[in-house]
Amino acid sequence: QSVVTQPPSASATPGQTVTISCSGSSSNVGSNYVYWYQQIPGTAPKLVIFRNNQRPSGVPDRFTGSKIGNSASLAISGLRSEDEAAYYCAAWDDTLKGRVFGGGTKLTVL
Amino acid sequence: EVELLESGGGFVQPGGSLRLSCAASGFSIGNFAMSWVRQTPGKGLEWVSSISATGERTYYTETVKGRFTISRDNSKNTVELEMNSLKDDDTALYYCAKEPVLYYYDNWVDPWGQGTQVTVSS
Repeated sequence: QSVVTQPPSASATPGQTVTISCSGSSSNVGSNYVYWYQQIPGTAPKLVIFRNNQRPSGVPDRFTGSKIGNSASLAISGLRSEDEAAYYCAAWDDTLKGRVFGGGTKLTVL
Repeated sequence: EVELLESGGGFVQPGGSLRLSCAASGFSIGNFAMSWVRQTPGKGLEWVSSISATGERTYYTETVKGRFTISRDNSKNTVELEMNSLKDDDTALYYCAKEPVLYYYDNWVDPWGQGTQVTVSS
């Protein structure tokens, strides 16, 4: 099991807002930046949020990252069918001295 | 356009070896650390190894230490992962990815290549 946990699945209808959680500990999420990756089936992961809440160029502002304590969240507003993908959070772990990934959340757009 | 292309994956018996290669285009890898991340349906994404921009520092996850060796040739714009004493648990899709700075630390990886499949089975 990963040291950073995510719900395995989430779903919402087009236009709605969905929030995906990422729970860690003081050695990772609580003390370091959180990153979010989107993986559309059959493709490689793509960065959508870096340093907790920063969006790379080209990522719509419908994607919002936040962090409080040992937990982080990715919110996607105005949900669209093309947002259907797996989403992974990641953080540096001070104890393991390495990057750790959450188990991923499969988002279904109903 | 920044691209990464992995190669070298395949089917190998337990105890065997494989050498993965990652060819970069659209940028010079000499300014960036580079990493390998693997993915399995059961265990998700797992960071495997990283190498600093000049190659003087290498990093490995505990489960591959002593078996895998990461290296780079900045003149050829390539990164390699030599994998020895392979185990069933090493079966995964292996991605090459670019770090944003010289060293592996608290940062993101982007972009990723399309991956190369490694299957270890008797």
